[in-house]
Amino acid sequence: DIQMTQSPSYVSASVGDRVTITCRASQAISSLLAWYQQRPGKAPKLLIYASSSLQSGVPSRFSGSRSGTDFTLTISSLQPEDFATYYCQQADSFPWTFGQGTKVEIK
Amino acid sequence: EVQLVESGGGLVQPGGSLRLSCAASGFAFRTYWMYWVRQAPGTGLVWVSHINSDGTSTNYADSVKGRFTISRDNAKNTLFLQMNSLRAEDTAVYYCAKDFRGSSMDSWGQGTLVTVSS
Repeated sequence: DIQMTQSPSYVSASVGDRVTITCRASQAISSLLAWYQQRPGKAPKLLIYASSSLQSGVPSRFSGSRSGTDFTLTISSLQPEDFATYYCQQADSFPWTFGQGTKVEIK
Repeated sequence: EVQLVESGGGLVQPGGSLRLSCAASGFAFRTYWMYWVRQAPGTGLVWVSHINSDGTSTNYADSVKGRFTISRDNAKNTLFLQMNSLRAEDTAVYYCAKDFRGSSMDSWGQGTLVTVSS
């Protein structure tokens, strides 16, 4: 199975900060990687698909990129509603796997 | 509007069985792959299972293979997860989710809690 190692596990940041979260795949995979946001007590929300494509309705401050087996989610200017937990998910092959999650908290 | 509504969760003893349902509306259910994803209390998301649009192909996480069975009734727009030989570590909120472009999940239900305990 493909393991997704997400870092950091925790980020303390202020409104307006630039935040970067990374997911590293345990082997070479395609660009079929997605990013989700989950607020407490809520279902996950799709932000990015195919590594860098912005899901409809998601603000443009969210972006995704890829470099080899490293995938990055960037929030260019953190907003109050962005404080949540973020997960990557690979869809290169079954079983699909998620990263462990990154919690973004208010500094 | 896409709606996914899970039901069937509850308290079950170790070794017991439970069947989850997910009622879908607002989209052409019969044409989409569907998934189950779970989340144990205070932990991250875990992908559980996948089924293709006509139910002829399924995939499972190693942790549930041989114990869980995913199925669907396209006439009733409903997704199922039959869970047998349940263990304490299966305790989680179970979400059903709709496929997006064969590589992600763009609509999720509200989740149903399964608690495995004696």
